[in-house]
Amino acid sequence: AQKITQTQPGMFVQEKEAVTLDCTYDTSDPSYGLFWYKQPSSGEMIFLIYQGSYDQQNATEGRYSLNFQKARKSANLVISASQLGDSAMYFCAMREGWSGGSYIPTFGRGTSLIVHP
Amino acid sequence: NAGVTQTPKFRVLKTGQSMTLLCAQDMNHEYMYWYRQDPGMGLRLIHYSVGEGTTAKGEVPDGYNVSRLKKQNFLLGLESAAPSQTSVYFCASSRSGQGMNEQFFGPGTRLTVL
Repeated sequence: AQKITQTQPGMFVQEKEAVTLDCTYDTSDPSYGLFWYKQPSSGEMIFLIYQGSYDQQNATEGRYSLNFQKARKSANLVISASQLGDSAMYFCAMREGWSGGSYIPTFGRGTSLIVHP
Repeated sequence: NAGVTQTPKFRVLKTGQSMTLLCAQDMNHEYMYWYRQDPGMGLRLIHYSVGEGTTAKGEVPDGYNVSRLKKQNFLLGLESAAPSQTSVYFCASSRSGQGMNEQFFGPGTRLTVL
């Protein structure tokens, strides 16, 4: 079974609107971390935001926020006020605690976001 | 700081040839990783290292070997390249594996095996 599932292969959004990229995860470990990365067409991977399993509040970083619903095991990325430069692939990743075997993150297959002017 | 660098950026090999990809980081990170990225597959972990002199297998280790003789360098070797190893290879590093220690990625190496 996949540990990270991103069910939206492609998403489209109008410039200046908000968009939510879905990510669900599977773990039995009480200690884990969730990451989102952005990969523009130039190819580099850029870290966006992190949420720890024990964090009480949803993480926010500028226009990025993470809608963390622990009971549903979802960690959706919300991008507010989309910009043309947000067009990219977005990857969700999870790092489990030591009881999961290692601290090594597992990545989802990604969601392609296209922002229309 | 250069961050994470990868050499080479592009390479074309013939089936059966060997090569080594070099990854270097100047952030004194303990953890280093090699991933491959194929269309629709996300990033899949090949090998990783949690410190100098240590290596471990990831999700797709077959056909690859690695070495981490120095903390700042992580080498990925292909002994006998196959067309199935055509991919984009990313190296990454992180300070440790715990907490909010995000991975820093290199620019990638595009490898084509004919």
